[in-house]
Amino acid sequence: NAGVTQTPKFQVLKTGQSMTLQCAQDMNHNSMYWYRQDPGMGLRLIYYSASEGTTDKGEVPNGYNVSRLNKREFSLRLESAAPSQTSVYFCASSAHSGEETQYFGPGTRLLVL
Amino acid sequence: GENVEQHPSTLSVQEGDSAVIKCTYSDSASNYFPWYKQELGKRPQLIIDIRSNVGEKKDQRIAVTLNKTAKHFSLHITETQPEDSAVYFCAPPEGGSTLGRLYFGRGTQLTVWP
Repeated sequence: NAGVTQTPKFQVLKTGQSMTLQCAQDMNHNSMYWYRQDPGMGLRLIYYSASEGTTDKGEVPNGYNVSRLNKREFSLRLESAAPSQTSVYFCASSAHSGEETQYFGPGTRLLVL
Repeated sequence: GENVEQHPSTLSVQEGDSAVIKCTYSDSASNYFPWYKQELGKRPQLIIDIRSNVGEKKDQRIAVTLNKTAKHFSLHITETQPEDSAVYFCAPPEGGSTLGRLYFGRGTQLTVWP
């Protein structure tokens, strides 16, 4: 099993460009999450999907949209990138929502110039 | 939501010494208390967790203790080794929540010197 996979690994964007970060899991998990990690800030939740067909905002949703394409895939879209969105983005999944272990992908490093 | 604080933010110990990291939280309804480890350039991974019906849990050199009255839980690492060097995060969920949200602390950078 590959676990949680993310593409791309690294991306450079210019201010105003758009892009989609892809995430897939092969563990048959119901819940999926997108986090961003900035130095000294821990992991902050952007959006999550407790189950297929549902999505909810986390702490820092502004400037992002998500799509739960199916049970396996959860994408994060930046419509008009800003330098403040320079960060490392992690996708994660868990069997169910609530008090469960979350399994993380390898991360996507995004630089917005 | 939860208000989570971790202390200390950095910790340096000599190989073989013990390390303790404390996490305080605000939601008295929380019932699940995990610790994640993130090595440099890697993804976070769960290393140990505890539920509110027990006060302590051990797994070889690591342990977690819980004080629900005072609303804090701690990670204990004994006989530290250089490979324990990493950032450690506590991540209690919103109490009683079925929505899957974990609230990550800002992390503790542990450095173990050989």
